[in-house]
Amino acid sequence: KAGVTQTPRYLIKTRGQQVTLSCSPISGHRSVSWYQQTPGQGLQFLFEYFSETQRNKGNFPGRFSGRQFSNSRSEMNVSTLELGDSALYLCASSLVQTDTGELFFGEGSRLTVL
Amino acid sequence: KNQVEQSPQSLIILEGKNCTLQCNYTVSPFSNLRWYKQDTGRGPVSLTIMTFSENTKSNGRYTATLDADTKQSSLHITASQLSDSASYICVVRSGTYKYIFGTGTRLKVLA
Repeated sequence: KAGVTQTPRYLIKTRGQQVTLSCSPISGHRSVSWYQQTPGQGLQFLFEYFSETQRNKGNFPGRFSGRQFSNSRSEMNVSTLELGDSALYLCASSLVQTDTGELFFGEGSRLTVL
Repeated sequence: KNQVEQSPQSLIILEGKNCTLQCNYTVSPFSNLRWYKQDTGRGPVSLTIMTFSENTKSNGRYTATLDADTKQSSLHITASQLSDSASYICVVRSGTYKYIFGTGTRLKVLA
C-alpha cells in the first residue's frame, strides 16, 4: 500500500514568488493535514481538511492557503514568499477524522526561499 | 497559552542502555497525547496515542506513560539500538482539530 506522497521534495524560490505543494494521501484516507517544520519553531499545524472542507486552521497568515479535491488529494499554496517561509512542509493523512485517528506523514517538501 | 515542553533537548546514550524522555503540557481542552519518532530527513512516525484515561501504552521497546493530573508524559526506551537515533516529538491533540507540538528531544545512540 503506497504511503503519503508529497511533491516536489525539494524546491528553491525567491522572495515574493508563490509556491504550490501537493500531497496525495494513502488510498482511502479522507483527512489531510499540513504542517510547517523549522529548526527554531519545530512542527506547527497549518490546516486540516476532511471531505474537501477545511476543518481548522493554525496561526498562520493568510498567505498560507490550501484546498482538498474530491479524490482527497490536497494542495497548499504560499504566496508572496518571505525568507522565514523556508521550512520542511509535511502532509499527513488519516483514515477518518476522529480525535484518535492515526496520522501518517509524508516525507515532506523542503522549501528554500532566497 | 497552549504549550508542550520537552526535555531534555538532546541526549546521548550508549547502545543497550535505557532512557526516558519527558513531556509536560499545558493544553486545554485535552483530547489525546501522541509520541512520534522522526528520523533525519524523514516524516514523523507514530509510536503511541494515549487518551485521558490511559496511563501506560507500549509499542515494542517504547513505553509511554501519561499522568493527566500533573499533565506529564514520558517515553521510556528500553535496550536502545543505533536505529533509535532520531528526534522524538510529543504532540497534544486539543479538542477536535488542533495539534500542539513539542520541539522534540534529539536522541543519539552510540555504539
